[in-house]
Amino acid sequence: KAGVTQTPRYLIKTRGQQVTLSCSPISGHRSVSWYQQTPGQGLQFLFEYFSETQRNKGNFPGRFSGRQFSNSRSEMNVSTLELGDSALYLCASSTGAPNQPQHFGDGTRLSIL
Amino acid sequence: DQQVKQNSPSLSVQEGRISILNCDYTNSMFDYFLWYKKYPAEGPTFLISISSIKDKNEDGRFTVFLNKSAKHLSLHIVPSQPGDSAVYFCAAWEGGSQGNLIFGKGTKLSVKP
Repeated sequence: KAGVTQTPRYLIKTRGQQVTLSCSPISGHRSVSWYQQTPGQGLQFLFEYFSETQRNKGNFPGRFSGRQFSNSRSEMNVSTLELGDSALYLCASSTGAPNQPQHFGDGTRLSIL
Repeated sequence: DQQVKQNSPSLSVQEGRISILNCDYTNSMFDYFLWYKKYPAEGPTFLISISSIKDKNEDGRFTVFLNKSAKHLSLHIVPSQPGDSAVYFCAAWEGGSQGNLIFGKGTKLSVKP
């Protein structure tokens, strides 16, 4: 069974640009969550999508947005990039039912110059 | 304000001995807890979970213990193997929440041969 796939693995952008990251969940999983990992803050929740609807949102500015398609694939967009957005962005999928583990992809390493 | 705390940033253990990783939480609404293992350049891998209605869950060499009154959980690895060397994250799920795991900042385990 294929795992969670994130593309691209690495990305370099400059301040002010925008970026789109992609996540393909495990087949059959309808929930996709996004997290930001930085050395100082650990893993922080961005948002979760279930059946194309955003179900939950963390405390990030509106520059961070996402969407989910009918095949459960998800994209995350960050606009007007700032130096502080440099991080590892992780996507996790699950069935969406309560008390079911999330399974993570290997992440996209975003570097802002 | 951290709701999930892993107070030991690192732990070193001899191969064959027991590794005990600790985690404390503050939110009494958490009802599902998970442990993840993370190798460099990879996403977190789900290890084991426990529901708040239990106090112990075992899977092979891994056992998680939950003490609800103390708001404390621990992961025991017996016997420890060099391949267990990784960063271990404790995570918690608030009852009724959707898709939002709260993570600790991780403990780096080193198992020496």
